[in-house]
Amino acid sequence: EAQVTQNPRYLITVTGKKLTVTCSQNMNHEYMSWYRQDPGLGLRQIYYSMNVEVTDKGDVPEGYKVSRKEKRNFPLILESPSPNQTSLYFCASSPGTGLPISNYGYTFGSGTRLTVV
Amino acid sequence: AQKITQTQPGMFVQEKEAVTLDCTYDTSDPSYGLFWYKQPSSGEMIFLIYQGSYDQQNATEGRYSLNFQKARKSANLVISASQLGDSAMYFCAMREGSGGGADGLTFGKGTHLIIQP
Repeated sequence: EAQVTQNPRYLITVTGKKLTVTCSQNMNHEYMSWYRQDPGLGLRQIYYSMNVEVTDKGDVPEGYKVSRKEKRNFPLILESPSPNQTSLYFCASSPGTGLPISNYGYTFGSGTRLTVV
Repeated sequence: AQKITQTQPGMFVQEKEAVTLDCTYDTSDPSYGLFWYKQPSSGEMIFLIYQGSYDQQNATEGRYSLNFQKARKSANLVISASQLGDSAMYFCAMREGSGGGADGLTFGKGTHLIIQP
């Protein structure tokens, strides 16, 4: 089954304790992206990647890191989490070959609900 | 300025009635795609329907249709014969460009739709 898999689904952690949220897709998609969702704000992009070793900042990148060493994986790293990073996080992927890319939507993972206390 | 505007934070609709969820967008890119996603209370993001900027006809997918008015920059979602299972958050989103620049979906803040029996 074509899917984006995020882990964990739920995570409660303490301020300052480094954590990684994993994301993997099995559709051979070039584009991958991380979003956070907060009440009243919709979804906002944190980082995106157009292919292996190519990443760039989205709208709210502060406090986050990403890497894209393999095409299928795109982990989100919080080096020193703070309570304002408590949110619902989504990983998503999209095809990138064949223009225009605006024709393609993103497939989303099931989400990771993170609480930082 | 907001790129995607959803002016209805919440809506109550009687079961079996048709529903129109509003979405206006702002872009100077001639190539863009417009997407609607449904987010039920379980949290996952479910793709509903897509409209490309060059499409001549309004998109339809089962009970979902998109009322695309390019000159007015609006892309309203119409749900015919609403069902109780349609109760959810609905997000309008846009992806711009032909590739090579910044990428990702820009989301509106969402409309919380509640279908009443």
